[in-house]
Amino acid sequence: DQQVKQNSPSLSVQEGRISILNCDYTNSMFDYFLWYKKYPAEGPTFLISISSIKDKNEDGRFTVFLNKSAKHLSLHIVPSQPGDSAVYFCAAPSAGATNKLIFGTGTLLAVQP
Amino acid sequence: NAGVTQTPKFRILKIGQSMTLQCTQDMNHNYMYWYRQDPGMGLKLIYYSVGAGITDKGEVPNGYNVSRSTTEDFPLRLELAAPSQTSVYFCASSPLARWPPNTPGELFFGEGSRLTVL
Repeated sequence: DQQVKQNSPSLSVQEGRISILNCDYTNSMFDYFLWYKKYPAEGPTFLISISSIKDKNEDGRFTVFLNKSAKHLSLHIVPSQPGDSAVYFCAAPSAGATNKLIFGTGTLLAVQP
Repeated sequence: NAGVTQTPKFRILKIGQSMTLQCTQDMNHNYMYWYRQDPGMGLKLIYYSVGAGITDKGEVPNGYNVSRSTTEDFPLRLELAAPSQTSVYFCASSPLARWPPNTPGELFFGEGSRLTVL
């Protein structure tokens, strides 16, 4: 029973364009969400988060949008750069056990020069 | 800054062997986690700890054991290695989040330990 879903395993965009990575969740009680980025042979690193009291959070080129009615969040990267090529995971505290962070399956982003 | 350190980085085990993956953090974080990453499957939580002496099961705990005798260390034990445990293992730690209450903040991950069971 996957509580956090990333339905697109991969995404390819041109340098300078917008990258949009999507994440759906099943439990409306989730309080906040996080995005992590992972390069090959490295551990994931924190990118940006959003709490359920907001519908948008921005940090430089990265913006996360939260649509609570649709149980959907998205990460926008503008403009995309080749160095953004990585796997992106969304994560949320598990329903009923907020100490546990549950991750989606990830989306591999490839930014073409 | 060392952050989260995992050892070993690579290991090959035979079926039925035992081993311990070591994890230590120097940030005085309350929370520590062990995840495994299988190809195309994302990160699955094995065990986690909210503080010294307290551990709990995650999504996929079978075949593993953990202990948390100090704030810094959170070793993961494989007692009888099986081919299904071939994976990349990540240890992570986090402080308490400012909000929401009683939830972990940003996770800091180690570089991973690649384990192959043959």
